Amino acid sequence: AQTVTQSQPEMSVQEAETVTLSCTYDTSESDYYLFWYKQPPSRQMILVIRQEAYKQQNATENRFSVNFQKAAKSFSLKISDSQLGDAAMYFCAYMNTGNQFYFGTGTSLTVIP
Amino acid sequence: NAGVTQTPKFRILKIGQSMTLQCAQDMNHNYMYWYRQDPGMGLKLIYYSVGAGITDKGEVPNGYNVSRSTTEDFPLRLELAAPSQTSVYFCASARSSTDTQYFGPGTRLTVL
Repeated sequence: AQTVTQSQPEMSVQEAETVTLSCTYDTSESDYYLFWYKQPPSRQMILVIRQEAYKQQNATENRFSVNFQKAAKSFSLKISDSQLGDAAMYFCAYMNTGNQFYFGTGTSLTVIP
Repeated sequence: NAGVTQTPKFRILKIGQSMTLQCAQDMNHNYMYWYRQDPGMGLKLIYYSVGAGITDKGEVPNGYNVSRSTTEDFPLRLELAAPSQTSVYFCASARSSTDTQYFGPGTRLTVL
């Protein structure tokens, strides 16, 4: 079974600064999708960004970008110009071609004013 | 457009009781999912459906059943509740397997 590892249970960042959240995964497949989800205290899961494994280019969504290293099986999330509203749990997720989703254990991000 | 709705929001069950968690979406999405989230953990996929009449097991299906008689609804059934099923349950839907999943607000279930 695939596994997704987030080695940072907690991270903090100063407002307006940049923070990087780490994620590694284990798979023998070559075709898959990777996601970062945000879960604020409301518990609602919100998609932040996604990456197709066959694409070389790193995905970017406004202040959020990823560093996708396929050979290293690494998928980190960079948040630039951090805002107070970015404070949440962030989950890395992997989806295989069989529609099976696997989530990491999450990283709790605190934004310091 | 309500998105994905889940009922109830909270429920306490006794061991051995049964219940159905309801999930509905009004976005005409083919794909629907059920996850559970244990404290301090990520989500684990219980069951998913790629369309009406089609369901398949996820990573942790034991103790649960699902049905998908319509595109809109995807109920999750617990037949004999056990303390290990205490968790927060999330339903999600998507247009396709690679599209954004839209999540419901979750159901907090406690089995005592």
